[in-house]
Amino acid sequence: NAGVTQTPKFQVLKTGQSMTLQCAQDMNHEYMSWYRQDPGMGLRLIHYSVGAGITDQGEVPNGYNVSRSTTEDFPLRLLSAAPSQTSVYFCASSYFGGGTEAFFGQGTRLTVV
Amino acid sequence: AQTVTQSQPEMSVQEAETVTLSCTYDTSESDYYLFWYKQPPSRQMILVIRQEAYKQQNATENRFSVNFQKAAKSFSLKISDSQLGDAAMYFCAYRSPQNAGNMLTFGGGTRLMVKP
Repeated sequence: NAGVTQTPKFQVLKTGQSMTLQCAQDMNHEYMSWYRQDPGMGLRLIHYSVGAGITDQGEVPNGYNVSRSTTEDFPLRLLSAAPSQTSVYFCASSYFGGGTEAFFGQGTRLTVV
Repeated sequence: AQTVTQSQPEMSVQEAETVTLSCTYDTSESDYYLFWYKQPPSRQMILVIRQEAYKQQNATENRFSVNFQKAAKSFSLKISDSQLGDAAMYFCAYRSPQNAGNMLTFGGGTRLMVKP
């Protein structure tokens, strides 16, 4: 059982380039989300999804797009990378229910130069 | 919107001793969930313990326990008999049952160092 798989683990981009961070889960979770982690700020929500075909914005959505065509996959697209998007990105998934555990991928460290 | 504050950016503890990490939150809701996550150097986020606000009893998981003070909006984590493997970043997180996507609001984190 793989859980939540993120790829790549590390990435360096030049300003203006685009890329997609991949996230896949094999637990049949309805909910998936993307967070970014910056020093001293914890994790902040970028986008989330409550099911296939349904996405919504989180706290810091600017510069990012998401889609959810299947229950398993929830890719995050950086449209035109900026140095301010240098961060560690985490994908998470969970079942419906407030007390349920959120399972996280291992993160992607992205550097934009 | 809810906010979560961890006022201790760094803490250190001697191996086998006890340490308490602080977390406060701001909310107008009466029903919610609180979590502590551990992030070791591997970056993996690991659930340590969870608390449901309507339960008065403090949650306990082996050497980890919480002191949940609902009126004070405080949710501290106590680690007993600290081990070298406890060295990590610890994040406190809040979840509202009203949130559509089970989203978590995180504090800024506390880095725990364990001295041998």
